Amino acid sequence: EDKVVQSPLSLVVHEGDTVTLNCSYEVTNFRSLLWYKQEKKAPTFLFMLTSSGIEKKSGRLSSILDKKELSSILNITATQTGDSAIYLCAVIFFGNEKLTFGTGTRLTIIP
Amino acid sequence: KAGVTQTPRYLIKTRGQQVTLSCSPISGHRSVSWYQQTPGQGLQFLFEYFSETQRNKGNFPGRFSGRQFSNSRSEMNVSTLELGDSALYLCASSRGLALSYEQYFGPGTRLTVT
Repeated sequence: EDKVVQSPLSLVVHEGDTVTLNCSYEVTNFRSLLWYKQEKKAPTFLFMLTSSGIEKKSGRLSSILDKKELSSILNITATQTGDSAIYLCAVIFFGNEKLTFGTGTRLTIIP
Repeated sequence: KAGVTQTPRYLIKTRGQQVTLSCSPISGHRSVSWYQQTPGQGLQFLFEYFSETQRNKGNFPGRFSGRQFSNSRSEMNVSTLELGDSALYLCASSRGLALSYEQYFGPGTRLTVT
């Protein structure tokens, strides 16, 4: 069965620190990996990574896909309190057409 | 433009009852997907509708069903409610199928089954 695992489950850091969140997947026929940020209710889209686009960056956030290790990292530099949220990783597999989510990483930024 | 809207936002039902949740996608979006989110299982895919047709279904019992109307609005129905159905139900819309297009999530409906 296709599986997506995120680590750590939770993380508490001080404002200004840099954090790295991990997402690994056990799949056949990988198609794409997505990162979402969920603050209160609705997850908001951050990045989509595919075999043809393995690195994305937006401001202080960046993400890399490691096809060999079947994993991805989400990096946040110079963290701010507004970065506190649950970060979700989801993977789409060829032949499945649905998003399989990991359980998320709860990130808390202390002022 | 207006985002994805879901109604109702909160709902309390008792075991054995049925419930219908509604989702209005962003204008122009033709795909609507439904997800169940619980603390223990995380976000789990229920189903996706595109052009009024169910395109994909997750591993949920037949008590969970849905439909999509010609204006792309979607409803999800859960019959014979169980305590374990208590969850946040999220819908997401996209211009095309979710595997190829960015999804925009609604605020969710919090269902509590007592």
